[in-house]
Amino acid sequence: ELKVEQNPLFLSMQEGKNYTIYCNYSTTSDRLYWYRQDPGKSLESLFVLLSNGAVKQEGRLMASLDTKARLSTLHITAAVHDLSATYFCAVGPLRGGADGLTFGKGTHLIIQP
Amino acid sequence: GAVVSQHPSRVICKSGTSVKIECRSLDFQATTMFWYRQFPKQSLMLMATSNEGSKATYEQGVEKDKFLINHASLTLSTLTVTSAHPEDSSFYICSAREVVNTEAFFGQGTRLTVV
Repeated sequence: ELKVEQNPLFLSMQEGKNYTIYCNYSTTSDRLYWYRQDPGKSLESLFVLLSNGAVKQEGRLMASLDTKARLSTLHITAAVHDLSATYFCAVGPLRGGADGLTFGKGTHLIIQP
Repeated sequence: GAVVSQHPSRVICKSGTSVKIECRSLDFQATTMFWYRQFPKQSLMLMATSNEGSKATYEQGVEKDKFLINHASLTLSTLTVTSAHPEDSSFYICSAREVVNTEAFFGQGTRLTVV
């Protein structure tokens, strides 16, 4: 059974600071996703990471993937209030297993002015 | 990215009634659609996977007779919650994928409240 663990689950930080969200997963998978969810809304796709060593950046967010360690990180640089949201990592599909995504529990991020 | 439309966005129904949620891929043909459920302040849980023209595959613990999924065309899948109970109140989100090994895109979600 695939397990996806995210930490921290809750993060309160000040604007201008840097921080990293971690995502560990238990079984080899083809790809890893990062999503953002605002309250009452659906998911917004941020990054798709396909291979070991992959690094992608968009604005103040940067995601990386280490398939050997089964670890992905989402790094926030110089945080701004607009980045306040819940961030999910998700893994899938599994080879020979479920075709859909398995999500972490999410990181609820609050960025205070 | 591709557009997936879900309808309705919100629905309130009485206990014991059935409610249907639609998921449409607007600008591509979705061979596979996925249905997820999200309880308040929790993560998304995969309920079932449906391939066009085939019976849906349900995840462990999901009652297939309660959550009826139909994927009759390449652009439409429906989830029907039958004999709804208050504990079925949740946020239901679909995603659709064109072919294997491509990204699946999410709909806007449906907030179901059973009273």
